[in-house]
Amino acid sequence: DTGVSQDPRHKITKRGQNVTFRCDPISEHNRLYWYRQTLGQGPEFLTYFQNEAQLEKSRLLSDRFSAERPKGSFSTLEIQRTEQGDSAMYLCASSLGGGGSTDTQYFGPGTRLTVL
Amino acid sequence: AQSVTQLGSHVSVSEGALVLLRCNYSSSVPPYLFWYVQYPNQGLQLLLKYTSAATLVKGINGFEAEFKKSETSFHLTKPSAHMSDAAEYFCAVTPISGYNKLIFGAGTRLAVHP
Repeated sequence: DTGVSQDPRHKITKRGQNVTFRCDPISEHNRLYWYRQTLGQGPEFLTYFQNEAQLEKSRLLSDRFSAERPKGSFSTLEIQRTEQGDSAMYLCASSLGGGGSTDTQYFGPGTRLTVL
Repeated sequence: AQSVTQLGSHVSVSEGALVLLRCNYSSSVPPYLFWYVQYPNQGLQLLLKYTSAATLVKGINGFEAEFKKSETSFHLTKPSAHMSDAAEYFCAVTPISGYNKLIFGAGTRLAVHP
């Protein structure tokens, strides 16, 4: 069990560019979540996958954001035409699924995005 | 709708002193409640969780929290602070049913001084 991994850890980009982040969940975890954390705030939910199906999207996820989990394993989060307001830490979490008390979310180290 | 309020964005204690971090929640359905800790430049690590079993929950690193339904609170405590406890702490809530989407408070930064 290597934990949740995210790549890259840091990304600096210019406004208007597209960026893509990757998350590798703990193996055999069915559920995968993306959160965004801005400075001085708690993480805010963005989207959720059950296997390859994207089952919930937050209103925070504008049409410039797209997330995929093509084979129910790793996931990507793409931001098109980045804006300075997109600067944040993007966190990925995974959980085994099945609900109830067993469904603890385990977080990756995050990708810190800076938009210049 | 569910929400979490953490009173005090910064808490400072002396090493060896009691740690008390406050969390109040709002939920129309029975919740699950969590405390996570975040060290600088790292992801969140689960400290403990309440899942409607015992109201006093013990977690890692000597932390514990008590669920008080009448007060809608889930405060985090540790009898004796250690320098390594300095970090940011987040309280979170999720409904028992559904996809367990976590709703976080704004966090409390704990400083421990000698």
